[in-house]
Amino acid sequence: DAGVIQSPRHEVTEMGQEVTLRCKPISGHNSLFWYRQTMMRGLELLIYFNNNVPIDDSGMPEDRFSAKMPNASFSTLKIQPSEPRDSAVYFCASSLQDQYEQYFGPGTRLTVT
Amino acid sequence: DQQVKQNSPSLSVQEGRISILNCDYTNSMFDYFLWYKKYPAEGPTFLISISSIKDKNEDGRFTVFLNKSAKHLSLHIVPSQPGDSAVYFCAASAGDMRFGAGTRLTVKP
Repeated sequence: DAGVIQSPRHEVTEMGQEVTLRCKPISGHNSLFWYRQTMMRGLELLIYFNNNVPIDDSGMPEDRFSAKMPNASFSTLKIQPSEPRDSAVYFCASSLQDQYEQYFGPGTRLTVT
Repeated sequence: DQQVKQNSPSLSVQEGRISILNCDYTNSMFDYFLWYKKYPAEGPTFLISISSIKDKNEDGRFTVFLNKSAKHLSLHIVPSQPGDSAVYFCAASAGDMRFGAGTRLTVKP
């Protein structure tokens, strides 16, 4: 298995632009998580899905952030409009619903100038 | 609200010695704890875990200790190797997962 796949690996954009991050979970996993890593706050859970349904989005910082999971093999995290403070590494992770261990993708490093 | 805290941002240890990474938590509902290891430009990878019904779990050079009364978790690495140099995240689950800010371990040859 290829593991969790994220794209792009790096994204540099200007303030005000729309940014879309993509994730393909491990086949067969039915839980998907989006995290943001910053120096100040470490790894923060933004949102997670079970069986493609959003369960908890309380970690999504603002209405500028939205996430979708149209099917079991694809999820997106969108930021519109982006701001410099959104600069961080965004990780996607997946797991089996009844297991604690999560498998992380390599992350997307987002820089908003 | 940081429910999981790693108060030491960094730790430096000599090769062959013991590395002890610490983690404190505030939510008594957490029932499962994990340690993840992260190398630069990679995602975190699972290392070892422990259920709240246990106080120790060992896997090779890695041992995790849980002190529920103190709400404290620690990871021991013995002996430490240069390849252990990475950022270590403590995580706790009460349904969803909460991570600490991480501790950067450097093992010097």
